[in-house]
Amino acid sequence: KAGVTQTPRYLIKTRGQQVTLSCSPISGHRSVSWYQQTPGQGLQFLFEYFSETQRNKGNFPGRFSGRQFSNSRSEMNVSTLELGDSALYLCASSGGAARDTQYFGPGTRLTVL
Amino acid sequence: GESVGLHLPTLSVQEGDNSIINCAYSNSASDYFIWYKQESGKGPQFIIDIRSNMDKRQGQRVTVLLNKTVKHLSLQIAATQPGDSAVYFCAENRTLTGKLIFGQGTTLQVKP
Repeated sequence: KAGVTQTPRYLIKTRGQQVTLSCSPISGHRSVSWYQQTPGQGLQFLFEYFSETQRNKGNFPGRFSGRQFSNSRSEMNVSTLELGDSALYLCASSGGAARDTQYFGPGTRLTVL
Repeated sequence: GESVGLHLPTLSVQEGDNSIINCAYSNSASDYFIWYKQESGKGPQFIIDIRSNMDKRQGQRVTVLLNKTVKHLSLQIAATQPGDSAVYFCAENRTLTGKLIFGQGTTLQVKP
């Protein structure tokens, strides 16, 4: 069974731009969660989607948004990029027999210049 | 507030020795814990999990111990190998929330 995939793997943007990241969960998984990883703050929860609905949200500004499609694929969007948004953005999916276990993708490395 | 912490940022062990990585959590309502391993340039990889109704769970070369009295979690790796070198995170997951709360991570260095 294929794992979680994320595209693109690397991205360079400038301040003020917006960016969209994509995540394809493991087949059969219906929950997708997003995390931001930085050296200073570690891994922080952004939001979770389940059956196309946002079920949980972390403490991030409204510039961070997401959505989930009927096939469980998810996208997250960051508008008006700031230098501090440079991070590794990780997607995790869960569902199936061990519905609480989250399996992570390789991440998208976003650099904001 | 909510937090999951690890006691040591770095742990250095000799190849073949056993490794013990510790984690303390603050929320007594936590009911599910997961250990992840993250290698450079990769996403966190699931190692083992344990629910709050258990004290111990074993996998292949790994054991997780949970002490709810002192809110402490540990990961034991037997016969540590160079391939075990990575950052290890403990995480708390409240059932059905889909939100993991991560500790800061412990870097395991394996000396040949």
